[in-house]
Amino acid sequence: QKEVEQDPGPLSVPEGAIVSLNCTYSNSAFQYFMWYRQYSRKGPELLMYTYSSGNKEDGRFTAQVDKSSKYISLFIRDSQPSDSATYLCAMSENTGNQFYFGTGTSLTVIP
Amino acid sequence: NAGVTQTPKFQVLKTGQSMTLQCAQDMNHNSMYWYRQDPGMGLRLIYYSASEGTTDKGEVPNGYNVSRLNKREFSLRLESAAPSQTSVYFCASGRDRTQPQHFGDGTRLSIL
Repeated sequence: QKEVEQDPGPLSVPEGAIVSLNCTYSNSAFQYFMWYRQYSRKGPELLMYTYSSGNKEDGRFTAQVDKSSKYISLFIRDSQPSDSATYLCAMSENTGNQFYFGTGTSLTVIP
Repeated sequence: NAGVTQTPKFQVLKTGQSMTLQCAQDMNHNSMYWYRQDPGMGLRLIYYSASEGTTDKGEVPNGYNVSRLNKREFSLRLESAAPSQTSVYFCASGRDRTQPQHFGDGTRLSIL
């Protein structure tokens, strides 16, 4: 079983829709949680970073962490065609030396 | 404001050839990382350097070596390239091992 599981999609939504992206994990020691966006032929770009449980909002993006369920989510409101990309979740332990990445969910927002 | 710079961007090698992938960061980060990204496999850690002067193996280190040349630079070497090493290689850096990593745009490597 992988440390981090992420549905690869692809996910296709109309412009303006609310998008929900999710990851589950098995390691209860994970404390740091991140979401990255990766455009085609580019490196991953950090979108959101949270520590422990709770919600964090940044513009149209909201990250949620539910440690009791070992489940994290990224919500995108008023989705735009420029949001079309692959979204990667990542997490790490407090004392760890490495991050664990999901395989990514491919999102297309149709104008 | 370059961030993480990787060279070269593309490379084609023949089986058995060697090459070094270069990475430099200008954010004064302590930690640096090398990943490979393959379809359906996600990002897999090859080697990392938690701080200048230290390097450690990640998930898939076989066939690779690294050098943390100084605080800015972290290189990845393939001594004898194999077709299984065809991949996109990403370098990343972070302020320390718990802080988010910032990525370069990758080196696309094909081994024939």
